[in-house]
Parts: sequence; structure tokens; C-alpha cells
Amino acid sequence: KNEVEQSPQNLTAQEGEFITINCSYSVGISALHWLQQHPGGGIVSLFMLSSGKKKHGRLIATINIQEKHSSLHITASHPRDSAVYICAVPMNYGGSQGNLIFGKGTKLSVKP
Amino acid sequence: DAGITQSPRHKVTETGTPVTLRCHQTENHRYMYWYRQDPGHGLRLIHYSYGVKDTDKGEVSDGYSVSRSKTEDFLLTLESATSSQTSVYFCATREQGLPQHFGDGTRLSIL
Repeated sequence: KNEVEQSPQNLTAQEGEFITINCSYSVGISALHWLQQHPGGGIVSLFMLSSGKKKHGRLIATINIQEKHSSLHITASHPRDSAVYICAVPMNYGGSQGNLIFGKGTKLSVKP
Repeated sequence: DAGITQSPRHKVTETGTPVTLRCHQTENHRYMYWYRQDPGHGLRLIHYSYGVKDTDKGEVSDGYSVSRSKTEDFLLTLESATSSQTSVYFCATREQGLPQHFGDGTRLSIL
């Protein structure tokens, strides 16, 4: 069974700073997911990636399959980026039905 | 998102009572999931469905049952609620090869 570790658990930044959140997993995967949970509780999918890098606006996700590691970067951070960021991977290698195991999340607070 | 509605959004009930949470989707997604979210834990899978009448257990299924009689509805039932089942419950759906979409959550308190 896969295991997911995220770091840091909590992160406070000043507006404009470059943010990096890390995710490590233990078993080979087909794809890794990054999600965002807003302070109100809603969860949205940010990225699903299996190799290289993806970018959406100020968000960049990278993955190193050999090292079993992914990073989520936020450039020019803004208070509206304050949220919990969650990494998720398939529960088992070749995981069935897309069942995911989730990290505990990184709580980001961006101060004006 | 993806037309997912969870009901109720909030519920307070007593130990020993039955509770049913409903997840309704309008996107005709094949796969549906029930998770619980607790402090100090990531989202944990309770049960999932891979089609009408096709369901299976997740990692924390004890004390829960599910049913899916229609593509659009996935019900989660606590037959006899316990205080340890106080949690926030999320429903999610997806299609093959695509990310999951989540409902807004149901906050359940069992006193």
C-alpha cells in the first residue's frame, strides 16, 4: 500500500513570496494529484500529472518519478492562495478504480 | 463542481440512531466515492462504487454501508451511529482517467 508524506505541515508566507510544498510517496504510481481545500471546506483538483511539469496560472506542479517526489510551487503568492494543499496518489501500484490515498495536507497562510 | 450535491450539509444526531447521507451527481460519472476527513488524517476512503449496484469497501468501511441503485445517487448509511463517526464526509465522482470532483461536504456530529 502506498504512503504519502507532505511537508511542511504548516506554512506562513508574505504576499509575493515564492512557495514550495513537497510530497513524497512510497510506491510507483501512474499519476499524482494536487488538490486545494478552501477555508470554507470545498475541495478542487488542481493538477493530475504523471511526468514532468504542469502549469496553471501562478501554480506549477512537478514530479520526479524515479525519486517518488512531487512539488507544488506558487509564484507571487497572494492572500487568496491561503488554503490547505493536498497531495494524493493511487492507493496501490497499478491502483484499481483510481482509488487514492491522500496526504494530510499543507496549510498555507499568505499574509498581506 | 461537476454537479455534485451532498445532503444534508449539516446533521446532529444521537448515538445509536441510523443516518443516511446522500450524494447526487448530474454528470453521469461512472465512479463515486465516500470519504471522511478528520483532524490529523488525510481524506480516508470509506466505500466506492464503479457502477450501478457495484460497490466495494475502502480503508475505513467498518460501521458504514452504501448503495447505488441509480448512476446519479450514492447513499452512505450509518446503521447505528457512534461518536467515533463524527466527521466531515465528502462525496466525489470521476470518469476514467480524469481527476475526482468533490462535493461540498456534510458535517456530521454524533452526540
